[in-house]
This record gives sequence, structure tokens and C-alpha cells, in this order.
Amino acid sequence: DTGVSQDPRHKITKRGQNVTFRCDPISEHNRLYWYRQTLGQGPEFLTYFQNEAQLEKSRLLSDRFSAERPKGSFSTLEIQRTEQGDSAMYLCASSPSTASYEQYFGPGTRLTVT
Amino acid sequence: AQKVTQAQTEISVVEKEDVTLDCVYETRDTTYYLFWYKQPPSGELVFLIRRNSFDEQNEISGRYSWNFQKSTSSFNFTITASQVVDSAVYFCALSEANFGNEKLTFGTGTRLTIIP
Repeated sequence: DTGVSQDPRHKITKRGQNVTFRCDPISEHNRLYWYRQTLGQGPEFLTYFQNEAQLEKSRLLSDRFSAERPKGSFSTLEIQRTEQGDSAMYLCASSPSTASYEQYFGPGTRLTVT
Repeated sequence: AQKVTQAQTEISVVEKEDVTLDCVYETRDTTYYLFWYKQPPSGELVFLIRRNSFDEQNEISGRYSWNFQKSTSSFNFTITASQVVDSAVYFCALSEANFGNEKLTFGTGTRLTIIP
């Protein structure tokens, strides 16, 4: 049994570069969430997928951010023209379609923008 | 809008002492869910408990117990006989029961350090 996996675990990039992160949810979990966590803060919701449909985006998700979940399996989060303020831990979580309301989190991708 | 407040930023206790982590929440919904997650130094969030708004029974799981009081909008977490392995950041979170998007609203966390 594998949990939620994220790749890469760490990413260092220069300001202005584009980065892409991947999340593989638990098999058969049709709900997928992205959160962002900055130092000393709790995770903040970014976006939500039900299967392949992106159903909600937080206002935290600026135009430079885009997320996809093709075929309702893995998901990608892309940040274009990165800024230093984008430095954070990006967390992915998944949950099943039953009303369990329990989200299982991946290990996160730590992004550092220099 | 939903809000979760964890007023205790950091707590340090000596091993074997009991410790209570406070959580106060705000929501306009009558149906909602409350959670506690643990984030050890490795960084991965670990689910501890989920409680729905209609169930105010306290829960005990081993050394962990939770006290849900709707009248004061609080969902406090107590660790009995603390151990060094309990050292972590603990987050309280709230979710609306939207039967779809159950996005979590987290507090800012309480960093718990257990001193051997």
C-alpha cells in the first residue's frame, strides 16, 4: 500500500523560472487537493479536483499558477515566472469519494526561489 | 468565513507530564468537521482525529484525548504522560461538510517540545 507521493521533494530555482510539481494520490481516491505551507504557518488551500475536474481555486492561486489532473489520476502544479514569495512547502492531499472527510497528505515539495 | 485559532505558538513540557493544546474555531455552518493533524520534523502531516459537529462526545485513544465543546467553539487536544516522540507541530483544522470539496482551514499550529 502506497500513500500520496510527491515529486520532487525539494526544488531550488532562480526567480523568473518555471517549475512543475507532481502529485500521485492514493489509488482510487478521486478527490485531490493542493495546499501551500509557509514557515511557521498552517497549510493554506490552493485548489481542489474531483476526478479530472478542477472545481475550486483559492484566490491565493494567482494567474502564474496552474494545476491539472489529466484522466483523474496524478496532478501537476506549475508555477510560472517564480517569485521569492513563492518559496514554500507545496502539499498534496487526497481523499476517497465516500464522506470520510479525511485527507491523506503527501510529504510535500519544498520550493526555494533564489 | 471559517477561522481556526491556536493561541499557543510553542509549548515545552518535561517527559511524562500531561499537556493540552487549545483550538478555537469560527464558522457559520451548522454542519462541519474538526480535525487534528501532527506534523513531525519529517514534515508529513499525519491525521489524528476527525469529529463532526453533531457529536460532542469526548474521545480517547491511548494517551490522546479530545474535548469538543460546541458552546465555546473549542476542540482541545490532551496528551497524557507525554513522550519524546510526541514532539511535533500540531494543527487543528476545520472543514465545511460540502459533500464534495472538504477543503481544510488550518490554524497556525502549536509546536510541542517534550524534554527528556
